[in-house]
Amino acid sequence: DQQVKQNSPSLSVQEGRISILNCDYTNSMFDYFLWYKKYPAEGPTFLISISSIKDKNEDGRFTVFLNKSAKHLSLHIVPSQPGDSAVYFCAASVSARGADGLTFGKGTHLIIQP
Amino acid sequence: DVKVTQSSRYLVKRTGEKVFLECVQDMDHENMFWYRQDPGLGLRLIYFSYDVKMKEKGDIPEGYSVSREKKERFSLILESASTNQTSMYLCASSLGGVGWSGNQPQHFGDGTRLSIL
Repeated sequence: DQQVKQNSPSLSVQEGRISILNCDYTNSMFDYFLWYKKYPAEGPTFLISISSIKDKNEDGRFTVFLNKSAKHLSLHIVPSQPGDSAVYFCAASVSARGADGLTFGKGTHLIIQP
Repeated sequence: DVKVTQSSRYLVKRTGEKVFLECVQDMDHENMFWYRQDPGLGLRLIYFSYDVKMKEKGDIPEGYSVSREKKERFSLILESASTNQTSMYLCASSLGGVGWSGNQPQHFGDGTRLSIL
């Protein structure tokens, strides 16, 4: 049973426009959410995170929104740049459980078109 | 900057061999993790460790074991490699420690692409 779902395997966005990547989760115990970015032949790079006590976290061009009632989070990238082309993974954890690993979605391949 | 180093970028082994994947982090992190990444499946947790000589099973531990003799080093062991273990293996670490709440990002190495023939 997939607890973290990214239903769009790929997304194409024009340079300068907004990219919106979506993620849904089923485990109501998750209370910490992260987004990672991954280029080919490299490990995932931490991008931004949000705790379940918040509904928004912003860092430069990246904003993550959390809707707990809908068990949904999204990553907004504004404006999109060519270097943003990568695979984006949504991840979640139950922080009170200690040093458990993250539960990842399958990823969304973002393609920024010039 | 956190540096997580995996000893090999590419590795080719034969079925039945015992395979060791090594990972070292330089930030004195308490927690270390091993994942595998497969197309269409995302990243899946194999094992993790929150202290020296401590280990916990993740979601897919079958066919694997781990060793953590020193804080900075976490090894993944394929006891008898099989073709279905051909994958990209990723090591990660996070801070942990006294008072750790769990709200800490994990930092990843660049991965080892392992092929079992």
